[in-house]
Amino acid sequence: EAQVTQNPRYLITVTGKKLTVTCSQNMNHEYMSWYRQDPGLGLRQIYYSMNVEVTDKGDVPEGYKVSRKEKRNFPLILESPSPNQTSLYFCASRQGGSNQPQHFGDGTRLSIL
Amino acid sequence: KQEVTQIPAALSVPEGENLVLNCSFTDSAIYNLQWFRQDPGKGLTSLLLIQSSQREQTSGRLNASLDKSSGRSTLYIAASQPGDSATYLCAVRSTGNQFYFGTGTSLTVIP
Repeated sequence: EAQVTQNPRYLITVTGKKLTVTCSQNMNHEYMSWYRQDPGLGLRQIYYSMNVEVTDKGDVPEGYKVSRKEKRNFPLILESPSPNQTSLYFCASRQGGSNQPQHFGDGTRLSIL
Repeated sequence: KQEVTQIPAALSVPEGENLVLNCSFTDSAIYNLQWFRQDPGKGLTSLLLIQSSQREQTSGRLNASLDKSSGRSTLYIAASQPGDSATYLCAVRSTGNQFYFGTGTSLTVIP
């Protein structure tokens, strides 16, 4: 089954403790992206990747890191999480080309205390 | 910077009604516009994607239109059903690879 898988689905942690949210897709998609969703603000793009070793900032990259060492994986790293990064996070992927739809994971609900 | 707006924020209709959801965007230089539905606790499910050169797309009871020059898109749902209850989001892909989402319309279809 074609899917985008995020782990963990839920995480409660404390300020300053480094964490990684993993994202994996099995559709051989070139493009992957991370979003955060906050009430009243909608989904905002954090980082995206066009292919292996090619990443770029989205609208709200501050406090986040990403890497793309393999085509299927695109982890989101919070080196020193803060409470304002408490949010619902989504990973998405799509085939290359101008007009391919994005496919989303089920989300990771992150709480930073 | 692209801004995407969806009005109304919430909508409640009786089963069987036809309805229209609205999406507007400020910069007409887009590659495409995509409509999604989001169910509670779930990710986003793609409904329709309209390329910038297209005027509309249809899938079953759904029809999406795009008027790029006026910065507007509509999602028409025919003969609504309780299973259509969800939050509907529109997203535009601006030039480049950045995507901008509206805050969504929460739809409730009353049996």
